[in-house]
Amino acid sequence: KNEVEQSPQNLTAQEGEFITINCSYSVGISALHWLQQHPGGGIVSLFMLSSGKKKHGRLIATINIQEKHSSLHITASHPRDSAVYICAALISNFGNEKLTFGTGTRLTIIP
Amino acid sequence: NAGVTQTPKFRILKIGQSMTLQCTQDMNHNYMYWYRQDPGMGLKLIYYSVGAGITDKGEVPNGYNVSRSTTEDFPLRLELAAPSQTSVYFCASSYSWGGGGNTIYFGEGSWLTVV
Repeated sequence: KNEVEQSPQNLTAQEGEFITINCSYSVGISALHWLQQHPGGGIVSLFMLSSGKKKHGRLIATINIQEKHSSLHITASHPRDSAVYICAALISNFGNEKLTFGTGTRLTIIP
Repeated sequence: NAGVTQTPKFRILKIGQSMTLQCTQDMNHNYMYWYRQDPGMGLKLIYYSVGAGITDKGEVPNGYNVSRSTTEDFPLRLELAAPSQTSVYFCASSYSWGGGGNTIYFGEGSWLTVV
């Protein structure tokens, strides 16, 4: 079992829908990143969270440290939001920190 | 401010050939990383560096080598390419380890095929 699990693996939605992508982790972390990867493209950082909630435009990221869970929300989704969304947790382990990546959620927004 | 620049974007190698993936960042970050991304898997750390002259192995270092002679540059060398090294490679950098408290910056990726 991966230390970082994402769901769903694939998500298809109509333009305008509210999107939620989930990330769960099994151990203590010091930070969590949400990343976006367009097909054939590079990886772009969307958010870095250690607690609470952050908002940037139509994107909102939340984290619940006690429940070991984070969500990425997209409001008023648009076809240009189609991409793979990856969460990465900075896991603390016996004084060492390791950045562990989820396998990604492939989002497709249909016009 | 170009961020992280890696080259080449695409490359086809024959088994046994060697090559170097170049990576440069202009943000004066001490921490730099090389990851590989395989289908259905999360990114895996190949090598990392915590500053000029200091490098260390990540999770999957076999078949690779790195150097860090300057803060800006962190090339990844593939020696004796094997089909198992067919992958997408990403270079990244950050101000703090693992981007804790800060953003991680990634390059555009290098698609490598070994035939």
